[in-house]
Amino acid sequence: GQQLNQSPQSMFIQEGEDVSMNCTSSSIFNTWLWYKQDPGEGPVLLIALYKAGELTSNGRLTAQFGITRKDSFLNISASIPSDVGIYFCAGQRNAGNMLTFGGGTRLMVKP
Amino acid sequence: EAGVVQSPRYKIIEKKQPVAFWCNPISGHNTLYWYRQNLGQGPELLIRYENEEAVDDSQLPKDRFSAERLKGVDSTLKIQPAELGDSAVYLCASSLGTGVEKLFFGSGTQLSVL
Repeated sequence: GQQLNQSPQSMFIQEGEDVSMNCTSSSIFNTWLWYKQDPGEGPVLLIALYKAGELTSNGRLTAQFGITRKDSFLNISASIPSDVGIYFCAGQRNAGNMLTFGGGTRLMVKP
Repeated sequence: EAGVVQSPRYKIIEKKQPVAFWCNPISGHNTLYWYRQNLGQGPELLIRYENEEAVDDSQLPKDRFSAERLKGVDSTLKIQPAELGDSAVYLCASSLGTGVEKLFFGSGTQLSVL
């Protein structure tokens, strides 16, 4: 079963609002990744984090690798309708290990 | 450059029937993965190939699932016989080496078992 807990499970926001979502684990991961999945498509990588405390941005997206290595956060600023989709966190314990995915946060944006 | 190609996109079968999924990875990618994604959940790894060798198949239900990657390029995933609980999206992904940041997913095959 999945070991990463994402919250919230879903969000319905107004266009222009900022969004925050997080991912927690009971065990340590040494790499954290955030993906976005559109309907009928596979997940697409948004941001990869490799170091505890690391803060990385990709356009309006910012993600942080938690200091304890047991959590990660994703923020989206000034949301737009095309941000709609499901956002997944994923963790990797060590290089070459498989990825463990969270259950996803479904984001809906009202124009 | 073409991405990871999967077929079919959709498959509807009755329980106890066999089904097969096909994946063509990105050219030059030696690592290939099959994931299963249940409704409302994240993907879960079924099997990982390094070239033609299955290096991680611990999550593959071997009583009914099988996979192959002949010649280290295309891969097929088979279920025989299918059960109702097998309904899910089956995603194929590929990467050059095992760097997770270089992992690319296909669009998946949505399987419905009736």
